[in-house]
Amino acid sequence: QSALTQPASVSGSPGQSITISCTGTNSDVGGYNYVSWFQHHPGKAPKLMIYEVSFRPSGVSNRFSGSRSGNTASLTISGLQAQDEADYYCSSYTSSSTWVFGGGTKLNVL
Amino acid sequence: QVQLVESGGGVVQPGRALRLSCAASGFTFSSFGMHWVRQAPGKGLEWVAVISYHGSNKYYADSVKGRFTISRDNSKNTLYLQMNSLRAEDTAVYHCAKDLDDFTYGMDVWGQGTTVTVSS
Repeated sequence: QSALTQPASVSGSPGQSITISCTGTNSDVGGYNYVSWFQHHPGKAPKLMIYEVSFRPSGVSNRFSGSRSGNTASLTISGLQAQDEADYYCSSYTSSSTWVFGGGTKLNVL
Repeated sequence: QVQLVESGGGVVQPGRALRLSCAASGFTFSSFGMHWVRQAPGKGLEWVAVISYHGSNKYYADSVKGRFTISRDNSKNTLYLQMNSLRAEDTAVYHCAKDLDDFTYGMDVWGQGTTVTVSS
């Protein structure tokens, strides 16, 4: 159950777009459509931003989008806003019927 | 609205046990799988365990297998995590989370968490 690989941090200016990658294997990210992305502000409950690779829950801004190529999933945030500054985590279902998270990416809005 | 409220955290000595609870409201609890996820101080999220909507299927992270037991009481809309043989590395904020369906689709709604500190 090795953690998925995410960059430790990414930065962008307001209005710009950024992409966070999440790399796993064909036993998790590449093998199932059950890849999710969460936004986490410290001290609060994590918030689901993307599920099943590319679907947005009701109420989540369309500035957030998800995609996947092979064993790497990606979260793209367009039109960056100050309130987007948070930690972002990917997660995936695995062939062992378990779940695995990425190490997390801190998004800095400059 | 959908709400999950965890309780039962506290300070416990290594080797002792603790049981966490998660009270659910605002949705049909018995129709969804439920997860426990933890976050150690200064670390990222770590998935702990999942239970199917009927309670028959349970899966655990290797780090807690054999020590932790997930269970649910659908008549009380409550999820539990029995934690035995606690270690210092189990110190974390523990969140319960609802699955989008049974237990394979992923977590959607999360609770705020309850803090467990394992220390002598």
